[in-house]
Amino acid sequence: EDQVTQSPEALRLQEGESSSLNCSYTVSGLRGLFWYRQDPGKGPEFLFTLYSAGEEKEKERLKATLTKKESFLHITAPKPEDSATYLCAVQASRGYQKVTFGTGTKLQVIP
Amino acid sequence: NAGVTQTPKFRILKIGQSMTLQCAQDMNHNYMYWYRQDPGMGLKLIYYSVGAGITDKGEVPNGYNVSRSTTEDFPLRLELAAPSQTSVYFCASSYMGLSGNTIYFGEGSWLTVV
Repeated sequence: EDQVTQSPEALRLQEGESSSLNCSYTVSGLRGLFWYRQDPGKGPEFLFTLYSAGEEKEKERLKATLTKKESFLHITAPKPEDSATYLCAVQASRGYQKVTFGTGTKLQVIP
Repeated sequence: NAGVTQTPKFRILKIGQSMTLQCAQDMNHNYMYWYRQDPGMGLKLIYYSVGAGITDKGEVPNGYNVSRSTTEDFPLRLELAAPSQTSVYFCASSYMGLSGNTIYFGEGSWLTVV
């Protein structure tokens, strides 16, 4: 069964303090790994899709990387507006409808 | 640029009542989904549809029904509401192509069953 484990569950950073969020996964054939941002009271907002080990994608202060067993979301010099819950999800190469989500990392950036 | 639109945003139901959560998308996506999100749990797939007239069960379908008569609409029906159905419900859609299947979510519907 496909599994996604995110760590830490919660992370508190000072503004400007860079860090990384981890997403460990097991899936029988990875079709894609997704990162989403979710603000309180809102739906998940798409950030990145990664398809193969070694791939990297960047958006403003966020950079996502992928290995065969895990993905990292690196946050460089975060700002308070980066505070949110970050969700990781994987899609197996078999069965397009099956996307497995992790429980998320709740990030708080303090001014 | 509406994307995925869900109604209502909030609803309180009594045990045994029924209701329908509405969902519409304007991106011409072929796939549509209903997820529920409970505190501390990941998003769980309730039902999905790969196109008009075609639906299938996800991980947690019991107590729910769906239909897909058009590409745009995918309503979720709750029959005989139970307290265990208190949750946040997200409708989502995606286009299944060769490069993958990025899922786009609506804003959510908060349902409380009392």
